[in-house]
Amino acid sequence: NAGVTQTPKFQVLKTGQSMTLQCAQDMNHEYMSWYRQDPGMGLRLIHYSVGAGITDQGEVPNGYNVSRSTTEDFPLRLLSAAPSQTSVYFCASSQDVARSRETQYFGPGTRLLVL
Amino acid sequence: GNSVTQMEGPVTLSEEAFLTINCTYTATGYPSLFWYVQYPGEGLQLLLKATKADDKGSNKGFEATYRKETTSFHLEKGSVQVSDSAVYFCALSAGNTGKLIFGQGTTLQVKP
Repeated sequence: NAGVTQTPKFQVLKTGQSMTLQCAQDMNHEYMSWYRQDPGMGLRLIHYSVGAGITDQGEVPNGYNVSRSTTEDFPLRLLSAAPSQTSVYFCASSQDVARSRETQYFGPGTRLLVL
Repeated sequence: GNSVTQMEGPVTLSEEAFLTINCTYTATGYPSLFWYVQYPGEGLQLLLKATKADDKGSNKGFEATYRKETTSFHLEKGSVQVSDSAVYFCALSAGNTGKLIFGQGTTLQVKP
């Protein structure tokens, strides 16, 4: 089991460029989510998905799009990068979305710098 | 709305010292509470959790008790090691959406 994998590990973008952060899990988890981590602010939820074909917005969704065509993959798209999107991005998954007690498993993160 | 507040860091301790990191929460209903740890250069991993009042979560010598009366979930360890140096996040999950609400994180540095 690879768990939750993310690519790339590090990326530099120019303002206005687009890119996709990849996230995959091999645990057959229903629930997947994207967080961003900024100094002094903990992690904040961007988007989440409770299953293939179903996505919803989190706390800070502006500037990001997601889709969930398969159970395994949950890519995060930046359509027009802005310096405010400089952050570390974490993908997470868990088994059963209906149970708030479920442990979430995090990927290693993608560090994004927007110039 | 739901929220989590952690003590600000950084916390610097000598090896074998006692550790407490305070965490309080605000939530409707009956949330589950978690401590996640982030070692340098890595993602977050679950340290321990408690899913109902008075439950005690424990792992690797760390423990925390879910106190509904004080809305707290303080993290403790009796004797810290250099390898415990990391960022610790308190978090809650409530309802059936799977959303985690995180505190701002507390950096722990343990010196030999």
